Amino acid sequence: DGGITQSPKYLFRKEGQNVTLSCEQNLNHDAMYWYRQDPGQGLRLIYYSQIVNDFQKGDIAEGYSVSREKKESFPLTVTSAQKNPTAFYLCASSIGTFPDQPQHFGDGTRLSIL
Amino acid sequence: DQQVKQNSPSLSVQEGRISILNCDYTNSMFDYFLWYKKYPAEGPTFLISISSIKDKNEDGRFTVFLNKSAKHLSLHIVPSQPGDSAVYFCAASAPGGAQKLVFGQGTRLTINP
Repeated sequence: DGGITQSPKYLFRKEGQNVTLSCEQNLNHDAMYWYRQDPGQGLRLIYYSQIVNDFQKGDIAEGYSVSREKKESFPLTVTSAQKNPTAFYLCASSIGTFPDQPQHFGDGTRLSIL
Repeated sequence: DQQVKQNSPSLSVQEGRISILNCDYTNSMFDYFLWYKKYPAEGPTFLISISSIKDKNEDGRFTVFLNKSAKHLSLHIVPSQPGDSAVYFCAASAPGGAQKLVFGQGTRLTINP
């Protein structure tokens, strides 16, 4: 079955530690995205990548970093510089970046900073 | 600055009746709009979309209406079913070569038997 896998589902880290969230897709999609969701709010775009070895900042990139070395993988690192990292993180992918090519989402990782 | 707003955090509808979810936007550059549905502990799934050159798009029980002059879109679900109970997000994108979606806050729809 094709899809997007985010792991782990729940992640706990101590304050001041960097943490990396995994996102893998086997849909052969070119574009991948990371969003953050906070309670009562919509999804906000952190980073996106239209093609391998290329990525761009979204609306709330501060304190985050990404890499796109393989088409299937788009890991997100939450650094210690992120002031309020506790949130629900969603990864998505799309065939391309035309608006009629909808994004498909993984089931998310809930990050809690202790 | 909330460019996409869903002013109703929740909506309760009787099974079999029509559900109407609303969304307002402020950015006149938005040219494509989407609705996503989200169940708890899962990622959103794409439901239906509409281009700004249209004012209506229909897919089975789901219809999206766009009123550009009012900067308003709505999702109609007829008839509503218990499985429709979920959080619904509207999203918008502007032209520019990258699919940078801006999401509303979501509306929790509950279908009562």
